Amino acid sequence: QKEVEQNSGPLSVPEGAIASLNCTYSDRVSQSFFWYRQYSGKSPELIMSIYSNGDKEDGRFTAQLNKASQYVSLLIRDSQPSDSATYLCAVKNTGGFKTIFGAGTRLFVKA
Amino acid sequence: EADIYQTPRYLVIGTGKKITLECSQTMGHDKMYWYQQDPGMELHLIHYSYGVNSTEKGDLSSESTVSRIRTEHFPLTLESARPSHTSQYLCASSEPGNYGYTFGSGTRLTVV
Repeated sequence: QKEVEQNSGPLSVPEGAIASLNCTYSDRVSQSFFWYRQYSGKSPELIMSIYSNGDKEDGRFTAQLNKASQYVSLLIRDSQPSDSATYLCAVKNTGGFKTIFGAGTRLFVKA
Repeated sequence: EADIYQTPRYLVIGTGKKITLECSQTMGHDKMYWYQQDPGMELHLIHYSYGVNSTEKGDLSSESTVSRIRTEHFPLTLESARPSHTSQYLCASSEPGNYGYTFGSGTRLTVV
């Protein structure tokens, strides 16, 4: 079992729809959770971080965390073609130095 | 505007050559990292550093070395390049605590 699992996609949504990206992790002591966006041929860019159970909103992005289910999600409202990218879920233990990345979900937003 | 810089952006080199990938950041971050990423795959940690004169190996470090003589500079050296080293190499840094990373633009290495 991979430490951080994501559906590779591609996830295809029409412009203006809500895109829902999911991630599960295996280490129960994980404390910090991140979503990165990576455009093709580019490096990852941090878009959201979440540390406690519940929802965290930032503009069109909402991160959701459920530690009991070891589940993290990212919702993108009013999806735009410019949101088409690979979204990486990353998990880190408090006190640990390693951040484990998932392989990413490719999102395609159709105009 | 990127505050962490990697050079070269692209490199094609012959087998057996020694190469150094450069990484510098202007944010004063103590923590720095090197990751390797193949297309469509996870990022794998190669090396990391807590600060000056501190370096640790990650998952894929056996064929490379790093140094941290200055806070802002964290170069990665391959002593003898092989075709299996062909990949993208990403440098990153982070603030103290449980913050996310800022990545450089990467070095795409091809060993022929």
